[in-house]
Amino acid sequence: DAKTTQPTSMDCAEGRAANLPCNHSTISGNEYVYWYRQIHSQGPQYIIHGLKNNETNEMASLIITEDRKSSTLILPHATLRDTAVYYCIVRPNRDDKIIFGKGTRLHILP
Amino acid sequence: DAGITQSPRHKVTETGTPVTLRCHQTENHRYMYWYRQDPGHGLRLIHYSYGVKDTDKGEVSDGYSVSRSKTEDFLLTLESATSSQTSVYFCAIMEGTSGSGGTDTQYFGPGTRLTVL
Repeated sequence: DAKTTQPTSMDCAEGRAANLPCNHSTISGNEYVYWYRQIHSQGPQYIIHGLKNNETNEMASLIITEDRKSSTLILPHATLRDTAVYYCIVRPNRDDKIIFGKGTRLHILP
Repeated sequence: DAGITQSPRHKVTETGTPVTLRCHQTENHRYMYWYRQDPGHGLRLIHYSYGVKDTDKGEVSDGYSVSRSKTEDFLLTLESATSSQTSVYFCAIMEGTSGSGGTDTQYFGPGTRLTVL
């Protein structure tokens, strides 16, 4: 079973920041939080990952709470091309498998 | 795209026939994976490989076998295809310096759409 909980779907207006939440209350100390997205009919695409500190790259920002039990993926200026299913994954340390949950379907509204 | 290709991209076959899907990578990654994706189920891991001739089962391995005789190719075989195996199949590699562990990242191929009639 996936170790994360995400809302089934969300809407966001184009040009606004999209904030996608993820709960991972059973995360253990060395587990990383990963985010992927899947645009319709394409393979999943890596976005970002983090352990404790907030992370930012050219695609998004990842905010992890101090207790690490939840995180938020932020797309700062959402565009129509960001419409996709977003997966939050907790990756067990030293584990070579990644198990996907059902993700959040993000709709960017024009 | 981490140099991942899948073939064929689309296939229609009949129940009971054998089917082999191929995943090819050009960057010498040690770890390779096969997933299937179905409406309502998301991505589910079928099998994965951590080296030549080294494979292990995932969540939904029944009815599937895999082989990895060389680093660049990971084959998924349906010995006798059933309609329940109609799905989109994705191959992935793990990119990173350790080969496993929290800092390595998966990259996915474009997918193969398989229909079993």
